[in-house]
Amino acid sequence: GDSVTQMEGPVTLSEEAFLTINCTYTATGYPSLFWYVQYPGEGLQLLLKATKADDKGSNKGFEATYRKETTSFHLEKGSVQVSDSAVYFCALRNGNDDMRFGAGTRLTVKP
Amino acid sequence: DSGVTQTPKHLITATGQRVTLRCSPRSGDLSVYWYQQSLDQGLQFLIQYYNGEERAKGNILERFSAQQFPDLHSELNLSSLELGDSALYFCASSDPSGTYNEQFFGPGTRLTVL
Repeated sequence: GDSVTQMEGPVTLSEEAFLTINCTYTATGYPSLFWYVQYPGEGLQLLLKATKADDKGSNKGFEATYRKETTSFHLEKGSVQVSDSAVYFCALRNGNDDMRFGAGTRLTVKP
Repeated sequence: DSGVTQTPKHLITATGQRVTLRCSPRSGDLSVYWYQQSLDQGLQFLIQYYNGEERAKGNILERFSAQQFPDLHSELNLSSLELGDSALYFCASSDPSGTYNEQFFGPGTRLTVL
């Protein structure tokens, strides 16, 4: 079945460092791809999304490009802030099937 | 604010007990999903309802059940609780006609079983 594999954490970076969290997927057809973020003590929030190959999702300085040839949707940010400390989940949804989440990557940004 | 509400925010109970978690989806969303998030942060899909009918089942234990009511709110019932059921329980909703099919999550209910 469809699945998502994302980079294991935790990831610790200094403020203003470059962030990459890898995500690859296995799916039939053309799923929609998502990154969700979970701040401490809160529920998941949609960070960005992409629905077709070569689409780039972006929000709050984060970007991810839907790469069908490598079945990847890596999350990047050029300069992280302390406020970006959270758990990040990569997810896919194929049509009306249930959403499949990766295991989550905990990011800690130190001042 | 996602528009999805969950009550209660926290619940502390004892082993063997039964609890009910409640979720109200975003206005207009017909689908409701339940997830369990354990301490090691993994998200497990439990069950989905669409307009009152069960649509999909994930890793839901037989001790757990859910339903969606005519006003579209949903309840997750957990019975014969065990220590290992302590977790965050999230509800999400979506509009199947939406372009991207994203799910909107509630703030969660933290269940502690003592």
